[in-house]
Amino acid sequence: DTAVSQTPKYLVTQMGNDKSIKCEQNLGHDTMYWYKQDSKKFLKIMFSYNNKELIINETVPNRFSPKSPDKAHLNLHINSLELGDSAVYFCASSHEISERGETQYFGPGTRLLVL
Amino acid sequence: GQNIDQPTEMTATEGAIVQINCTYQTSGFNGLFWYQQHAGEAPTFLSYNVLDGLEEKGRFSSFLSRSKGYSYLLLKELQMKDSASYLCAAMDSNYQLIWGAGTKLIIKP
Repeated sequence: DTAVSQTPKYLVTQMGNDKSIKCEQNLGHDTMYWYKQDSKKFLKIMFSYNNKELIINETVPNRFSPKSPDKAHLNLHINSLELGDSAVYFCASSHEISERGETQYFGPGTRLLVL
Repeated sequence: GQNIDQPTEMTATEGAIVQINCTYQTSGFNGLFWYQQHAGEAPTFLSYNVLDGLEEKGRFSSFLSRSKGYSYLLLKELQMKDSASYLCAAMDSNYQLIWGAGTKLIIKP
């Protein structure tokens, strides 16, 4: 019954590797997001995506790329991992943006440690 | 630029009342969210305000003043389980959430 799920929960890897984090939501939402939460606890939006538009935060390196096989999934691919990529990555979803702000529901997070 | 300010940390006593303030500056405004995040867990939705005034939901209330770019979250009858970080987030004209760094609330017996 998990609404937003992410795998893996923990990811430890070496610098330079390529890795993926998967996200699935079973809420029937139209929009999905990826956030990075660093050690200072700031939640920074990386991407938001619905079936019409991908919005990319311009500060996100192009080593990061979202891939959406269908409306319920938004996976995050990271190439050439760097030490500074160590953080917690949260996936979230919401109904399509409307006049009333839609609540975002978060996954449990993926704790990435790059050695 | 877009900015959210909230205190880094607050301490309160079990059973008491605490108010967590948040000021925001965004390009356009489509509402203000409060989320709760326990250590090591995902943020969970608490409240949403888009009109001026106070919204009450059980022990938690949230207030918004659009003219002042100001919101607060009021927690009453504090319980130990309320120890968490409280994140303020404002939605800008592109419907993107701009997040504060969170206020870590420590509840003491």
